[in-house]
Amino acid sequence: EIVMTQSPATLSVSPGERATLSCRASQSVSNNLAWYQQKPGQAPRLLIYGASTRATGIPARFSGSGSGTEFTLTISSLQSEDFAVYYCQEYNDWWTFGQGTKVEIK
Amino acid sequence: EVHLVQSGAEVKKPGESLRISCKGSGYKFTDYWMAWVRQVPGKGLEWMGRIDPSDSYTTYSPSFQGHVTISADKSSDTAYLQWTSLEASDTAIFYCARQEPGNVFQFWGQGTLVTVSS
Repeated sequence: EIVMTQSPATLSVSPGERATLSCRASQSVSNNLAWYQQKPGQAPRLLIYGASTRATGIPARFSGSGSGTEFTLTISSLQSEDFAVYYCQEYNDWWTFGQGTKVEIK
Repeated sequence: EVHLVQSGAEVKKPGESLRISCKGSGYKFTDYWMAWVRQVPGKGLEWMGRIDPSDSYTTYSPSFQGHVTISADKSSDTAYLQWTSLEASDTAIFYCARQEPGNVFQFWGQGTLVTVSS
């Protein structure tokens, strides 16, 4: 079973700043990697799939990169609505999620 | 418009049985797998398993195999997650999510909170 490890656990960022979140797979998942955003009391929301393709309706400030075992989600200029928990998920093997990165207001 | 509507919150005692539901609308139910995802309060997301509603073929995560049953009723466009004997450790929010052909989860239900306590 593939293990997905996200870092950091918590990221403190000021509004308007750039946020960079990392996700590492214990073995290659090719580009079968998705990112989700979850706000308190809400279901997760798909942001990125195929490691770098934005889902429908996702703003351009969200971008994904990487392949194999190393992946990055970048939020170019954080808006107030972006403070949330972000999960990566591989779908090359099973559908394993990382443990999440909480993006909080600095 | 695609909607997944889940059944309401449940409070159960250890050892009791339970079935929660997820009704799909706005699309052809049998064209997409349905997955179930667990989230223990304050914790992360865990994929539990999925079902192909067209033939009820199921796949389970090893972590959940044998403890839950996933089923679907094509006639009512509803997927189910079932326990025969709940444990306190089953306390969590359970989400259904439609699996796209690329295997990602585009659409999610609102979640069902299951509380198991004596």
